[in-house]
Amino acid sequence: QVQLQESGPGLVKPSGTLSLTCTVAGGSITSSSWWSWVRQSPGQGLEWIGEIYHTGTTNYNPSLKSRITLSVDRSNNHFSLNLSSVTAADTAVYYCARNYYGLGIYYFDSWGQGTLVTDSS
Amino acid sequence: QSALTQPPSVSGSPGQSVTISCTGTGGDVGTYDRFSWYQKAPGTAPKLILYKVSYRPSGVPDRFSGSKSGSTASLTISGLQAEDEGLYYCASYTSSSDRVFGTGTKVTV
Repeated sequence: QVQLQESGPGLVKPSGTLSLTCTVAGGSITSSSWWSWVRQSPGQGLEWIGEIYHTGTTNYNPSLKSRITLSVDRSNNHFSLNLSSVTAADTAVYYCARNYYGLGIYYFDSWGQGTLVTDSS
Repeated sequence: QSALTQPPSVSGSPGQSVTISCTGTGGDVGTYDRFSWYQKAPGTAPKLILYKVSYRPSGVPDRFSGSKSGSTASLTISGLQAEDEGLYYCASYTSSSDRVFGTGTKVTV
């Protein structure tokens, strides 16, 4: 089973950019999986942010698309999230996850432990 | 905009069964067998418990089962146990690759 680990600052200034990295261990980021970011704001449900394939192809949540940039580093087996123009509404636990392709469909089979990012206001 | 709607909460006594529904609206998010289910305990990462509507990953008890009718997928927990308490989310995706999570259901034992 692949392991994922998020890393990055836990505080972000209002209007600043949130930057997180997810390191993949026990498997290659060049497998036939998409690599996703999901968040959960306090008291809210899970929200899919976006995903990236090892080729650099991306899919973004339409509601966040204008503020998201995803990137992948194949040599270091990690992928990253940048979320710009942060507000208090972006305070959440951010998870990275593998969107695995099996039996003809995709599903999130491996998750990082999550990292809390708070707007510093 | 695609959405997956779940009941806010369900409850049952130990040993009973509960069923959580997940109804897809907008686009084709509920059309195919792309539904998966996740168990979420406070302070922990979501855990996959069903995929492709009814397939269980290894290690998930067979008390968890799934089905689908039309645009609605369902998760049934049989022989409810105290450890089953928590939040449950369904998920699916559209043909344009928009991934969608359900609104979440709190299970109380």
